[in-house]
Parts: sequence; C-alpha cells; structure tokens
Amino acid sequence: GQNIDQPTEMTATEGAIVQINCTYQTSGFNGLFWYQQHAGEAPTFLSYNVLDGLEEKGRFSSFLSRSKGYSYLLLKELQMKDSASYLCAVRDRNTNAGKSTFGDGTTLTVKP
Amino acid sequence: EAGVVQSPRYKIIEKKQPVAFWCNPISGHNTLYWYRQNLGQGPELLIRYENEEAVDDSQLPKDRFSAERLKGVDSTLKIQPAELGDSAVYLCASSFKEGDRNGYTFGSGTRLTVV
Repeated sequence: GQNIDQPTEMTATEGAIVQINCTYQTSGFNGLFWYQQHAGEAPTFLSYNVLDGLEEKGRFSSFLSRSKGYSYLLLKELQMKDSASYLCAVRDRNTNAGKSTFGDGTTLTVKP
Repeated sequence: EAGVVQSPRYKIIEKKQPVAFWCNPISGHNTLYWYRQNLGQGPELLIRYENEEAVDDSQLPKDRFSAERLKGVDSTLKIQPAELGDSAVYLCASSFKEGDRNGYTFGSGTRLTVV
C-alpha cells in the first residue's frame, strides 16, 4: 500500500512564496501528481514528476526526490485565487496495474 | 470540448433508497475512474475501466455498489440501497490511458446526501 502525508493547512500572504510538502511510502513508485481543488469543485491537474528534480510551469514548480520519498509544490507570487486544497497523488506500479492514490490535501489560505 | 460531464450535480435521498450517477468522459479517453471524496479527505478510487473492462474494482463495496461502462464510453455508478455513510462527493475522471503524464481530468462531481 501507500502512505501519503501532507500538512493539513497552510497560510501565506499575497505576493509571497509557499512550499507545500508531500512525503510518501510506496513499493513501486511510478510517478507523482499534484492537483489543485477549489472548494466545491473538482481537482484539476497541475504537475507530474517521475524523475528526480524540478519541473517548472509558470508560477508553479514541483520537485521530486525518489530516494527520500519526498516532493514539494512551490507556488510563487501568490494570488488570492490560489486559495485552494492541493492534493498530492502517487502512482504505484505494484498496486492493481498502477493506480494513483491521493493524499488528503493541504488547504492553502492566501491572505491580503 | 465539454470536458468530463457528470449528472446530477446534487442528490438528496433517504437511506435504503437507490441512486445512480452518470458520467460522460472526454472523447477518446479510454480510461475512466469513479472516485469517492469525503469532506477534508482526498479522493478514493472505487473502480477503474479500461474501455468497457473493469480492471480495478477492489475498493468497490460490491454488496451495494455496481457500475457499468457499456460500449466503453459513458458510465453509470449505482448504489442500492444507500446508507448514511455513503454521503460524499462522487467524482468521475478520465484519461487517455493509465500512466498518462497529463493526469486525470475530473468532472464536477455529484454531491450525495443520504438522510
């Protein structure tokens, strides 16, 4: 199985930078995803990492260290609309043909 | 493109009643997923289809839940009879294939309340 841990809540200020961490334990790592979910809405895909290192997409970047079972999502130049839940999901090739398991999400509140 | 379409958006039923949810995935997406999300938690997979075949239904409570994906396009998830603990948001998602680096596209979900 998989254990995925994320902080439950975080608060940051508009214009600042915030880092949301995700740690995981899995026997057959095969990719990590980050999703954004606004309250009452569906998750939307943000990023994908399968190799170690940093993937950058505009204001959002995601980092992966497979040896440490660790990823983070970095949000720069925070905007009020970034207030949402951020879900880390890990795919394991050893569980039922590679399904993805989601963490419980980190609720980010951006304050003026 | 319409994205993943789900209906209904909201449903309130009494316990022991049946309920059904419908999902139309993105055209060309072979893989379809049904997830259940409780408040404050991440989505949990109920069932995954590759075309019309259910390839992972290990977490589907088969005594009361059933699903089908006829012709490998639309899908229906049914609960009969519903219990109070089934209150949750039921999300449908699709992808071109499992392993797609673009992740899943989710529908807006059906918020089920069992009273």
